[in-house]
Parts: sequence; C-alpha cells; structure tokens
Amino acid sequence: GAVVSQHPSWVICKSGTSVKIECRSLDFQATTMFWYRQFPKQSLMLMATSNEGSKATYEQGVEKDKFLINHASLTLSTLTVTSAHPEDSSFYICSARWDSNQPQHFGDGTRLSIL
Amino acid sequence: QQPVQSPQAVILREGEDAVINCSSSKALYSVHWYRQKHGEAPVFLMILLKGGEQKGHDKISASFNEKKQQSSLYLTASQLSYSGTYFCGTDSGSARQLTFGSGTQLTVLP
Repeated sequence: GAVVSQHPSWVICKSGTSVKIECRSLDFQATTMFWYRQFPKQSLMLMATSNEGSKATYEQGVEKDKFLINHASLTLSTLTVTSAHPEDSSFYICSARWDSNQPQHFGDGTRLSIL
Repeated sequence: QQPVQSPQAVILREGEDAVINCSSSKALYSVHWYRQKHGEAPVFLMILLKGGEQKGHDKISASFNEKKQQSSLYLTASQLSYSGTYFCGTDSGSARQLTFGSGTQLTVLP
C-alpha cells in the first residue's frame, strides 16, 4: 500500500528554536500534501494544503510566517515551525494523495514538545 | 464546518456489532473513514464516492447516502484490534480537502 514517511518522530527543544519536519511519499507521486495538528483527545485540524511547485494554502487562523511550508517535489513537503513556543507543542501529522478521489495516506506524525 | 459524528464513545464486548454515524451540513463529493490508535497516525479504512456507495472488507463496511449527506460505518463481530478512535473525513469543497469529525472512541473488551 501507499507509504508516507514523516521525520522526525519526536522533537524536544527550547523555546525560540525553529523545527523542520519532513514528509515524503515513498511509492507514489503526491500532487497534494496536507499538514494537520492534533491536540490530545481532539480531532485532526487542517493547517495547510500544499501543492507541488506552488504556495501553500493556509487555513484561517494559521500564521503562514510561523508555519513555513515547502513542497519542492512530488515526493517531499516540509513544515518549519519558526521560533517555536510552548503553545506550539502538539502532534503534527502530514498526509499525501495523488488524486482528489483517492485516499489521503498519513505519515506517522511528529510529537513536538517545546520547553 | 466539521461533520458531526455519533456516538462520541462506545464500549463493546468482543463479537458485538457497532455503527458509527457521520453527518454533514454540506453536499459531499466523498466520505473517508480512518481509525487512529493512541499515539499513532490515522490509518485509512475506506473511501466512499458520491452515488450511494456501499463498501466493505472483512467485517467492516460503510454506506454513503449522498442525498442525506450522511455516512455510516458498520463494525461486525468486533475484535480487540478494532479498538481506537474512528474519524470520518468529508470532502465537500472545490479545494477537495478533508474536514474531520470529532471522532468516535471505540473500546472492545474481551
């Protein structure tokens, strides 16, 4: 089946640090990748939609200057949390798909803890 | 707008059946179902495209009523491995992205 790899799995760092998370589709070309944030016992909240070669579309309330997204190729998207603060601590998950009528396949997620 | 899932939680004994419902206020292109275990990423179960689809594999099946903008997930003869939180994701806009429901926590006891 379709495989999406997300790294790193865990990040613990000090307040003010910038953190980069990678999302790769391993066996298919992902025309669209999505970035979600999930707080404990809550649903997945879409942060942004990323199409290869174009600027990401951010959901309302998500700061584009804080959460930088790059989708440079059909198999790689990155999310950079700039100057992270404790309130940015969360579970960040990416997903990828190759067609709008196909499933989204999720990476394993990145647990971000900002001290 | 987030689809409404019901029930919020359900506890079953192994071998019992369960139904999880997902209702949207918008017209839908498709409905996707996922299961998430604690601390892990969601795992894809099935996708239903508009046209009144029903799908199933093994003992898990789903239906999609396009006119009512509703979908239901059916878990038959539940197994311990079915425990987790089930999310429906609805695709209703031109952006063709998913909006996830609040989830249904399913616990299967021996």
